Parts: sequence; C-alpha cells; structure tokens
Amino acid sequence: DGGITQSPKYLFRKEGQNVTLSCEQNLNHDAMYWYRQDPGQGLRLIYYSQIVNDFQKGDIAEGYSVSREKKESFPLTVTSAQKNPTAFYLCASSISPGQWEKLFFGSGTQLSVL
Amino acid sequence: QKEVEQNSGPLSVPEGAIASLNCTYSDRGSQSFFWYRQYSGKSPELIMSIYSNGDKEDGRFTAQLNKASQYVSLLIRDSQPSDSATYLCAVNPNQLTFGTGTRLQVTL
Repeated sequence: DGGITQSPKYLFRKEGQNVTLSCEQNLNHDAMYWYRQDPGQGLRLIYYSQIVNDFQKGDIAEGYSVSREKKESFPLTVTSAQKNPTAFYLCASSISPGQWEKLFFGSGTQLSVL
Repeated sequence: QKEVEQNSGPLSVPEGAIASLNCTYSDRGSQSFFWYRQYSGKSPELIMSIYSNGDKEDGRFTAQLNKASQYVSLLIRDSQPSDSATYLCAVNPNQLTFGTGTRLQVTL
C-alpha cells in the first residue's frame, strides 16, 4: 500500500541532544512538508521540499534542519538550538507543489523533552 | 492579526443537530479553502475543499465560502458522536495556512 511512514511514533530528547525524525513516502510525490502542532494549535510549516536536493524554510524553521537526498525521504532534525521542541510533528507529501487537495499526511511523531 | 482564525471551542451540540463551524482569513488573495478533521493524537483528514463562492455539499457536510467577507464555514448535519473531533480550517494564499482548530463535541 502506498503512503507516508513516520518513525518513531514517540521520541524523547535529552537536553542538548539532536534528534532525527524519519519520513518516508512510496507515493512518488515530488513535494514533501514538515509541520509542527502544539496542543490546541493548528499546524505550522517548518520546512518544505518541492524537489529532490532542494528545500525551503517555512514559518518556524529556526532550530530545525532537513535534507532531501532521495525523492522518497525527508528527515527532520530537531537540533539543540530548538529550546521548546515538545510537539506533535507531521510529515506530508503531495504529487507536486501546491496540490493541496491531494496532501497526504503521515501518522505523526510525538516528541517530548526528558 | 492571525492569518486564519477559528473559535477554539469546545462547540457542544446534541446528537442529530447541525454543527456550524466558522473560519475567517486575512489574505484576500486566498484561492483554496479546506476543512480537515483531526482526532486526538492522529493526523488531519481532509473532509471538504471549496474554491468558489457559495455552498458545496458532500453527504452530511456543507462548506460555505464568502470571499467578500473572508469567511468559510462548515456545516455538519445530523451530527453523530463519531463527528467529535477538532476541525481545522486551512487556506492557501501560498503555502497552506492552518487555523488553530475548533473542538466539536457531539453529546448523546
């Protein structure tokens, strides 16, 4: 079955530690996105990638980094510079940039600070 | 000013009633409007999209768009307990911008 796989489902970060959230899709989609959701809040865009080897900052990119070396993979690293990383992280993809009606979401990763 | 605004709720309606969810947006250049349903701890699920002024119906759901007044609404008829969730409004002036969501509770 085609879809987006995020792992792990739950992740804990220690002070000063970098952690990486995995996002893999087998939909052959060009565009991929990372969103952050805080309790009682909507989704905020962290980074997005419209094509392999290219990515752009979203609204809240500070303290995060991404790579897009393969079409199917878009990992997100939460660096120690992100002082408040506790949130629900959602990865999404669309067949091409701006195809919002065909935006597919992964099941999310809940990141907490120890 | 927030780009997409929603009443956080909770909005409580009895089973079988009509639930009305509202959303206002600030960017007049917005062209696409979406409603997502999100259960607690789960990812959002697209339930309605609307692109032109007026109403769009899909089963028990009706989306209403008024670009002049910059609002979009979602009506849920014959509300069921399974409709209890948070409903996110999303608007596309460029990237997709989400509201904070309205929590709907359908009571028995």
